[in-house]
Amino acid sequence: TAGITQAPTSQILAAGRSMTLRCTQDMRHNAMYWYRQDLGLGLRLIHYSNTAGTTGKGEVPDGYSVSRANTDDFPLTLASAVPSQTSVYFCASSDSREVSDTQYFGPGTRLTVL
Amino acid sequence: GQNIDQPTEMTATEGAIVQINCTYQTSGFNGLFWYQQHAGEAPTFLSYNVLDGLEEKGRFSSFLSRSKGYSYLLLKELQMKDYASYLCAVMDSNYQLIWGAGTKLIIKP
Repeated sequence: TAGITQAPTSQILAAGRSMTLRCTQDMRHNAMYWYRQDLGLGLRLIHYSNTAGTTGKGEVPDGYSVSRANTDDFPLTLASAVPSQTSVYFCASSDSREVSDTQYFGPGTRLTVL
Repeated sequence: GQNIDQPTEMTATEGAIVQINCTYQTSGFNGLFWYQQHAGEAPTFLSYNVLDGLEEKGRFSSFLSRSKGYSYLLLKELQMKDYASYLCAVMDSNYQLIWGAGTKLIIKP
């Protein structure tokens, strides 16, 4: 099985433009997450979804939005990108968010905002 | 505030043993995870501890002391493929993972 896929692998984006990062999982996991990883910092949670149809805000949600129309897909949208959103973005999933389930990560999207 | 501390970088010799420490202060505790992350790749799960003590899994072991807010990851018989960053993460009372910045492990031949 593929696990979790993310697209694109990398992107250079002009400030002010919008972009959607795609994430798809084939493990039928209920919970999905978006993190950003910056040098010298731990992974920081942007948004999460406990199950299809629900979403929640993480530690750093400003400037980002998500949707969860079905179990498999969890896109992350930057409405108007700013240079501080330059980062590596990881999507992850787990069987459930309400217990201590292991999170599995996608390969990441490296985004540069100029 | 919530905080996870681990050394930024460690160096060890191929074939040796290395211990990577992690201390934490979080709002509640629902387990501690260790992940491995090779450069340019995704984090991959190594171990999970929720009770005090040592969990052994092949060359890797992880220890937890909840009273001290402390864990370590022990890697034995180091191999060049162990050259990676090791991330410590604690699940808090809201089942949110709080991540350390990671320890970059350099392996010398």
